[in-house]
Amino acid sequence: EDQVTQSPEALRLQEGESSSLNCSYTVSGLRGLFWYRQDPGKGPEFLFTLYSAGEEKEKERLKATLTKKESFLHITAPKPEDSATYLCAVPLGGNQFYFGTGTSLTVIP
Amino acid sequence: GAVVSQHPSRVICKSGTSVKIECRSLDFQATTMFWYRQFPKKSLMLMATSNEGSKATYEQGVEKDKFLINHASLTLSTLTVTSAHPEDSSFYICSARDWVSHEQYFGPGTRLTVT
Repeated sequence: EDQVTQSPEALRLQEGESSSLNCSYTVSGLRGLFWYRQDPGKGPEFLFTLYSAGEEKEKERLKATLTKKESFLHITAPKPEDSATYLCAVPLGGNQFYFGTGTSLTVIP
Repeated sequence: GAVVSQHPSRVICKSGTSVKIECRSLDFQATTMFWYRQFPKKSLMLMATSNEGSKATYEQGVEKDKFLINHASLTLSTLTVTSAHPEDSSFYICSARDWVSHEQYFGPGTRLTVT
């Protein structure tokens, strides 16, 4: 059965304290793994797409990596404005997405 | 980047009434749009896939007679919650798939509160 699991469910960091968020998946024939950021009361905002194991992408303080079983979203020296829920998702065909449960990140000044 | 809008952003209605939510792709054409529902502190749950010019495909457990979907043009899909009840209160998010790039873009969401 296809499944996407994110951990931790919630994460509190001090400003400047680097960490990583995990997205584990069991999907046959992966056609990409997507990372989104969602602020309260808003729709998901696209961050990255990863297609093959070993691939890495970076954007400002965020770096996403992909292995055959999981993806990590590394946050380097986070700032309070990085506080949000981070969602990973995998397409299941027809471009509909199966979303993970998300990691709620809080960065404390 | 591509923009998807939703209207209204918030709506409060009385139990038993119907509410229509619009989803528009503003600068691209979308043959396929998706409707999601999100409960507080939970992830997005796909409700249905809306295809332009044909009937929507509903996910298991979603009542098609309660959640009416119409995708009349390449830039507009509507979700109508019929005979709304308090348990229908939720955050509804649409997404649109660009038929050229195949990428999917999300709308800002609609907060529905049924009293």
